[in-house]
Amino acid sequence: NAGVTQTPKFQVLKTGQSMTLQCAQDMNHNSMYWYRQDPGMGLRLIYYSASEGTTDKGEVPNGYNVSRLNKREFSLRLESAAPSQTSVYFCASRAYEQFFGPGTRLTVL
Amino acid sequence: AQTVTQSQPEMSVQEAETVTLSCTYDTSESDYYLFWYKQPPSRQMILVIRQEAYKQQNATENRFSVNFQKAAKSFSLKISDSQLGDAAMYFCAYRRLTGTASKLTFGTGTRLQVTL
Repeated sequence: NAGVTQTPKFQVLKTGQSMTLQCAQDMNHNSMYWYRQDPGMGLRLIYYSASEGTTDKGEVPNGYNVSRLNKREFSLRLESAAPSQTSVYFCASRAYEQFFGPGTRLTVL
Repeated sequence: AQTVTQSQPEMSVQEAETVTLSCTYDTSESDYYLFWYKQPPSRQMILVIRQEAYKQQNATENRFSVNFQKAAKSFSLKISDSQLGDAAMYFCAYRRLTGTASKLTFGTGTRLQVTL
C-alpha cells in the first residue's frame, strides 16, 4: 500500500516547454486534487476530480490542464511552462481527510 | 469564500515546553471541518488533528490538542511537551461539510522551531 505517489520528484524546465506530472493512489478514493505551494502562500488548489471522468477548476487553474485517467490516476499538464509556475506541486486524494503525495519541485527557467 | 488566517509566520519553543499556534477563519456556514497539517523538512504533508464544527468537545491526539472557539471562528493548536521532531511548518485548513469533493482552504502556515 503505497498511498499517494507522484512522479517526478524534481524537474527543471525551460520557458515554453511542456510536461506532465503524474499522480496515483492505491486507496480506492474517489476524489483527487492538485495543489501548488509557494513561499508565504500556503497550498492553493489548481484542479480537482470528484470521481473518475470528472474534473473541476480550483483557485488557480490558468496554465494547467488535468486528466483523470481512471480511478487511480490524476495527471497535471503544463502545456507551455512559465517562470510563474515554479512551485512545489502536491497531489492528494480522499475528500474528508486528504492524503498527500510527497510533492514535485518544479523550476521553470 | 472561506478564508483561513495564520497570523504567526514563525514561533519558537524550548524542548519539553508547550506552544500554541493560532488560526482564525471566516465562513458563513455552520457546519464544516477544520484541520491542522504538519509539513517537516521532508515536505510531506501529515495530518495532525481534525475537528468537526458540530462537536463541542475539543479534539486531542496525544500531545496535540485544539482550542476550538466556534463563535470567535478560532482554531488554535497546542503542542505539549514539545520535541525536536515537532519542528516543521504547520498549516491550518478548512473544509466545507457538504459536497463530495469539497476542497481544503489553507492558511499561510506557521514555522515552528524547537530549541534545546
